[in-house]
Amino acid sequence: GESVGLHLPTLSVQEGDNSIINCAYSNSASDYFIWYKQESGKGPQFIIDIRSNMDKRQGQRVTVLLNKTVKHLSLQIAATQPGDSAVYFCAENRGDYKLSFGAGTTVTVRA
Amino acid sequence: GAVVSQHPSWVICKSGTSVKIECRSLDFQATTMFWYRQFPKQSLMLMATSNEGSKATYEQGVEKDKFLINHASLTLSTLTVTSAHPEDSSFYICSAREYRVMNTEAFFGQGTRLTVV
Repeated sequence: GESVGLHLPTLSVQEGDNSIINCAYSNSASDYFIWYKQESGKGPQFIIDIRSNMDKRQGQRVTVLLNKTVKHLSLQIAATQPGDSAVYFCAENRGDYKLSFGAGTTVTVRA
Repeated sequence: GAVVSQHPSWVICKSGTSVKIECRSLDFQATTMFWYRQFPKQSLMLMATSNEGSKATYEQGVEKDKFLINHASLTLSTLTVTSAHPEDSSFYICSAREYRVMNTEAFFGQGTRLTVV
């Protein structure tokens, strides 16, 4: 798998490997974070969320890690598949579920 | 469940005309809907929050007279781009949260591609 220490706009990963997508957020008071997947020409699709009272949350093939000390969020995708190719955004809740989105990372899966 | 539908999916209009985009929650009631704009290869930017039965609240820098929002029912919010210009061409996306249910995510529509010629 590939590990991305800083946010990069693009990530190329071999099919079957693990992917790690990073995101830095700005507001230390943010209490809720979400990862979205967006395919070309479509709206964002919910992947997984995490609240600030947690450090880690797992879903199906995905894990979100939250490091509040450095205001860092990551999304790990296990056994990346061609269908995982998309743009991934992290979002933080500014309050009342008004979301502030990160810049996005384009993931390309190589066969 | 939790489906949000936008109409139209894409629209082309002439400069100076107005265009209306609808956002519907199909299987739940939404007190609050959000409108975002996304330029090519960029992130989503919140434009305004639409509240059923009251005036929308706009983000800083978003002209309320240009982007008219109406949230007349618990299942429908509309965004009207008035006197559209080519720089208004963008991908407009709405999201909706379920009424009276705490701690739920907002569900996104499929987006509307607006092209002003």
